[in-house]
Amino acid sequence: KAGVTQTPRYLIKTRGQQVTLSCSPISGHRSVSWYQQTPGQGLQFLFEYFSETQRNKGNFPGRFSGRQFSNSRSEMNVSTLELGDSALYLCASSLADSHTGELFFGEGSRLTVL
Amino acid sequence: GDSVTQMEGPVTLSEEAFLTINCTYTATGYPSLFWYVQYPGEGLQLLLKATKADDKGSNKGFEATYRKETTSFHLEKGSVQVSDSAVYFCALSFSGTYKYIFGTGTRLKVLA
Repeated sequence: KAGVTQTPRYLIKTRGQQVTLSCSPISGHRSVSWYQQTPGQGLQFLFEYFSETQRNKGNFPGRFSGRQFSNSRSEMNVSTLELGDSALYLCASSLADSHTGELFFGEGSRLTVL
Repeated sequence: GDSVTQMEGPVTLSEEAFLTINCTYTATGYPSLFWYVQYPGEGLQLLLKATKADDKGSNKGFEATYRKETTSFHLEKGSVQVSDSAVYFCALSFSGTYKYIFGTGTRLKVLA
């Protein structure tokens, strides 16, 4: 069974550009979450989608957005990139619609902003 | 707000040593608690969880007990192996929020 797939794995952008990251969840999983991982802050919640609906959003500026498609695949977009956006962006999918459900993480997309 | 605090790393131990990684939380209710592990070059994976007070989660020789009185969920293992070298994250989640709050992670290095 394929795991959570994130693309691209690595990318380099310059300030002011925008970036789109993609996530394909495990087959059958309808919940997809996004987290930003940085050395100092750990994992910070960005947003969660279920059946194409955003159910929760973290404390990030409006430059961070996301969406989910009917096949449960998800994308996140960051516009007007800043140096501080350099991070590992993790996608996680979940089968259970429950706060006790296990999250299955992808390996992440490492974004470097120059 | 709700938060998770983990002990600072890195933690360096010799093989077969006893491991404790402290985790405490601040929450306005009774969340579910988790430990996730991130091995080098891999995504995070669930290690163990506990959903209510006094529950003990266990997996691969690791254990953690949900202590409501001390708002803690410390991770323990009696005898670590080199293969346990990884970053360990404590996390909590509340019903209906669809999000997890993670600690900053504790890096464990086990020497042969």
